[in-house]
Amino acid sequence: DGGITQSPKYLFRKEGQNVTLSCEQNLNHDAMYWYRQDPGQGLRLIYYSQIVNDFQKGDIAEGYSVSREKKESFPLTVTSAQKNPTAFYLCASSPVRGVSNQPQHFGDGTRLSIL
Amino acid sequence: KQEVTQIPAALSVPEGENLVLNCSFTDSAIYNLQWFRQDPGKGLTSLLLIQSSQREQTSGRLNASLDKSSGRSTLYIAASQPGDSATYLCAVDSNYQLIWGAGTKLIIKP
Repeated sequence: DGGITQSPKYLFRKEGQNVTLSCEQNLNHDAMYWYRQDPGQGLRLIYYSQIVNDFQKGDIAEGYSVSREKKESFPLTVTSAQKNPTAFYLCASSPVRGVSNQPQHFGDGTRLSIL
Repeated sequence: KQEVTQIPAALSVPEGENLVLNCSFTDSAIYNLQWFRQDPGKGLTSLLLIQSSQREQTSGRLNASLDKSSGRSTLYIAASQPGDSATYLCAVDSNYQLIWGAGTKLIIKP
């Protein structure tokens, strides 16, 4: 079955530590996205990538970094500069960004907490 | 700046009832509007996508309408079932970026 796999499901970060969230898709989608979800708020875009070796900042990119070395993979690093990282992180993909009739497909998320 | 609002934040109804979830947006210049379902601790599942030129879309017991001029969309669920219990989110595609509402948490009581 094609889909998006996020790992780990739960992650704990110590003070001053960087952590990396994994996102892998086998849907052959060009575009990939990272969102942050906080209680009572809509999803907010952190980063997105339309093609390998290219990515763009979203609305809340500060304290985060990404890479897109392979079409299938779009890992997100939460750095120590992100002072409030506790949230539910969702990865998504779509065939091509900019085509208005294609919904995004989502992984099952990673819940990040502070130790 | 596009803003998306979903009211109410939570809704509880008996099984079998028909119900309507609301989504409003401030800027009518959208490419499409999308409805998603999210189960607790899970990702999102796309339910319906309405193009800006369309008025409604239907899938099974779900019907979504779009009125761009008034900045409103509704998701109609017919003959609700306990399995429909979830959080329902709407998102508008503005300039190929999705702007999200905070969702409506729906509980269907058996």
